[in-house]
Amino acid sequence: NAGVMQNPRHLVRRRGQEARLRCSPMKGHSHVYWYRQLPEEGLKFMVYLQKENIIDESGMPKERFSAEFPKEGPSILRIQQVVRGDSAAYFCASSPEWQAYTDTQYFGPGTRLTVL
Amino acid sequence: DQQVKQNSPSLSVQEGRISILNCDYTNSMFDYFLWYKKYPAEGPTFLISISSIKDKNEDGRFTVFLNKSAKHLSLHIVPSQPGDSAVYFCAASARQSSGDKLTFGTGTRLAVRP
Repeated sequence: NAGVMQNPRHLVRRRGQEARLRCSPMKGHSHVYWYRQLPEEGLKFMVYLQKENIIDESGMPKERFSAEFPKEGPSILRIQQVVRGDSAAYFCASSPEWQAYTDTQYFGPGTRLTVL
Repeated sequence: DQQVKQNSPSLSVQEGRISILNCDYTNSMFDYFLWYKKYPAEGPTFLISISSIKDKNEDGRFTVFLNKSAKHLSLHIVPSQPGDSAVYFCAASARQSSGDKLTFGTGTRLAVRP
């Protein structure tokens, strides 16, 4: 019964390159969330997706960042032309179909992005 | 604008005693609250949650209390164990208005001394 899987666990990119972070939700979960944790801060919501749909992207930077959750395969968080300020831990979480007051988000181990 | 606040960055407790971690929030639309535990280089692990229709939820050594009028919740761990040493995050969501996205506090680092 695998949990939320994220890869790679560590990613190093030079300024201007692209970063692709992948997330496979828990079996049976159809909702995926991405969060970012900057050093010494709490997690900040970025985007909420269901299969083939972006439900809420209110936390996504307006430029360079995009996310998708295709019908088949993992969810992808893509950062184009990375800058040093993008260095952070990126966490994916998943939850089952929404039920009032009962569902909880389960987090993956995170991808630590370092921009040189 | 920090809508979820954990004002104590760290807490040290003797093994076997009670650990009390506090969390305050400002958004009155929040209706679901969670506590997560996080070890270094790992993702947050869900501990316990409470909906706004309750004022207490208990699960083993962990109890969460919610005081809606004060916009305050707390996590009690009793008895505390060295394995409880980690960073604890309080999180909240406003499901009725903005869905399931979680707003996190900045965390409290708990150290349980043997």
